[in-house]
Amino acid sequence: EAQVTQNPRYLITVTGKKLTVTCSQNMNHEYMSWYRQDPGLGLRQIYYSMNVEVTDKGDVPEGYKVSRKEKRNFPLILESPSPNQTSLYFCASSPRRGLPAGYTFGSGTRLTVV
Amino acid sequence: KNEVEQSPQNLTAQEGEFITINCSYSVGISALHWLQQHPGGGIVSLFMLSSGKKKHGRLIATINIQEKHSSLHITASHPRDSAVYICAVLGSNFGNEKLTFGTGTRLTIIP
Repeated sequence: EAQVTQNPRYLITVTGKKLTVTCSQNMNHEYMSWYRQDPGLGLRQIYYSMNVEVTDKGDVPEGYKVSRKEKRNFPLILESPSPNQTSLYFCASSPRRGLPAGYTFGSGTRLTVV
Repeated sequence: KNEVEQSPQNLTAQEGEFITINCSYSVGISALHWLQQHPGGGIVSLFMLSSGKKKHGRLIATINIQEKHSSLHITASHPRDSAVYICAVLGSNFGNEKLTFGTGTRLTIIP
């Protein structure tokens, strides 16, 4: 089944403890991205990647890192999480720019930083 | 002012009604996406538009590039259409893959 898999679905952590949210797609998509969703603010893009070893900042990259060493994986790294990073996170992928294709989203990761 | 504005923010309708959700944007775009977020939180991509109109089942999406406006229509609405509908625009510059989102329209269809 074509899908984007995020793990974990739920995570509670403490301030300052490094964490990684994994994202993997099995569709050979070139483009992958991370978003956070907050009440009243909607979805905002954190980082995106147009292909292996090519990443760029979205609108809210502060406090996050990403890497794209292989096409299928695009992990989101919080080196020193803070409570303002408590949010619902989504990973998404799409084939590539210019194609009449939409995005496939992961199921979301609800992160709480205490 | 947000780059992407949706209206209404909330919409409640009776089953069977024709639904229209609007999206206006203020930047140059290469494409506009309509997304559906289910009550459980999952997000599904409904349409990607760069011009004209697309139809899928009871859903119709239109875009007017000159007016910087898009609409999502649902015909013969059903309670299972209850969800948050989100408009997102993709920047017009090649190499710019930033998606900017509206804050969503919460639709509730009453049986």
